Amino acid sequence: DVKVTQSSRYLVKRTGEKVFLECVQDMDHENMFWYRQDPGLGLRLIYFSYDVKMKEKGDIPEGYSVSREKKERFSLILESASTNQTSMYLCASMTGSSGNTIYFGEGSWLTVV
Amino acid sequence: ELKVEQNPLFLSMQEGKNYTIYCNYSTTSDRLYWYRQDPGKSLESLFVLLSNGAVKQEGRLMASLDTKARLSTLHITAAVHDLSATYFCAVDRFAGGTSYGKLTFGQGTILTVHP
Repeated sequence: DVKVTQSSRYLVKRTGEKVFLECVQDMDHENMFWYRQDPGLGLRLIYFSYDVKMKEKGDIPEGYSVSREKKERFSLILESASTNQTSMYLCASMTGSSGNTIYFGEGSWLTVV
Repeated sequence: ELKVEQNPLFLSMQEGKNYTIYCNYSTTSDRLYWYRQDPGKSLESLFVLLSNGAVKQEGRLMASLDTKARLSTLHITAAVHDLSATYFCAVDRFAGGTSYGKLTFGQGTILTVHP
């Protein structure tokens, strides 16, 4: 059974804190993604990675960075959390070759106070 | 810049009725996805449409793709309460290489099915 696991489901952080959101997939997928979901806006792509140590900005990268040191793990980093980063964050992965199914994690609800 | 628009954004249906959700997008793409999301949950993949004229059906849901019109539809037949959820379409911005999966999502359609 395919799995994309986001280790933190619910987090409350203070403004200015550094926040790490971790995502692990067990399908040996090349491509991994971080999306942010806000009501009325759908999901928006923050960053994506198509290989270890490779990353590419998405539509809303400001205030975020990512790390992919191992193929199975893709981390989203908020260097200095702000209240406008309160949101639900979804990690996803897919094979980079001929696959067409994108698998999403359960989501991480982040509240910045 | 790719834009994806769904309509309606809110849909209240009676059980047993039929309805269609529309998904329009602004630039060419060869992949379109439909997802379902229950409150507080992640996205569940419903359909992946890969070519013009593609039609896929699962239970009471049928999705189609017209790449020339840049339009996809999600048709609901004889709605039941269990179909109540938010439905998203998403278009892949694939531009060659291995960069599938960079999706632009519609705003979502909140579907409520009443007895």
